[in-house]
Amino acid sequence: KNEVEQSPQNLTAQEGEFITINCSYSVGISALHWLQQHPGGGIVSLFMLSSGKKKHGRLIATINIQEKHSSLHITASHPRDSAVYICAVRFGGGADGLTFGKGTHLIIQP
Amino acid sequence: DAMVIQNPRYQVTQFGKPVTLSCSQTLNHNVMYWYQQKSSQAPKLLFHYYDKDFNNEADTPDNFQSRRPNTSFCFLDIRSPGLGDAAMYLCATSRDKGNEQFFGPGTRLTVL
Repeated sequence: KNEVEQSPQNLTAQEGEFITINCSYSVGISALHWLQQHPGGGIVSLFMLSSGKKKHGRLIATINIQEKHSSLHITASHPRDSAVYICAVRFGGGADGLTFGKGTHLIIQP
Repeated sequence: DAMVIQNPRYQVTQFGKPVTLSCSQTLNHNVMYWYQQKSSQAPKLLFHYYDKDFNNEADTPDNFQSRRPNTSFCFLDIRSPGLGDAAMYLCATSRDKGNEQFFGPGTRLTVL
């Protein structure tokens, strides 16, 4: 079964802390997405990656294809980073839609 | 500058009363997706269109249908909504298969 696991489910941290959210998946993928969802539902795509590392502002995403694992890091976290962060993958073998993890609820306290 | 637009943002319908949700895009993308996200759950793909080619997920109930009259618009029709269909419905687009997906703000459906 094609599965996506995220950890932790919930994370509360203080402003300024370095945040890491992890994602692992069960079988080979063609791409992995990190998404951000704020209360109210809208989803924003943060990264799409299939190898290596990407950086955008204070956000860094890495992926290890051999280990079937990806991490999302937030440096110098801020309360506005509070959101649900979702890992979603496009499995290989012709699948097209994304399979989502259950998300990580992040709260950054001032 | 909205790229993927969903209307309405909030929809209330009665049990069994057909409802249509709308998605439009200004990106001229080939692929449009519909996802269902129930409370505290991950989004789940219902179906997608690659141009005019409709692709239904195996476990999507027959109660859910979709139409794509042109590149810009895609509709989700729920023929007889049940209480269990209350959810956030997310539309997404991508330029081609395998490309980054861009999400709309979602339509929250309430079934009374």
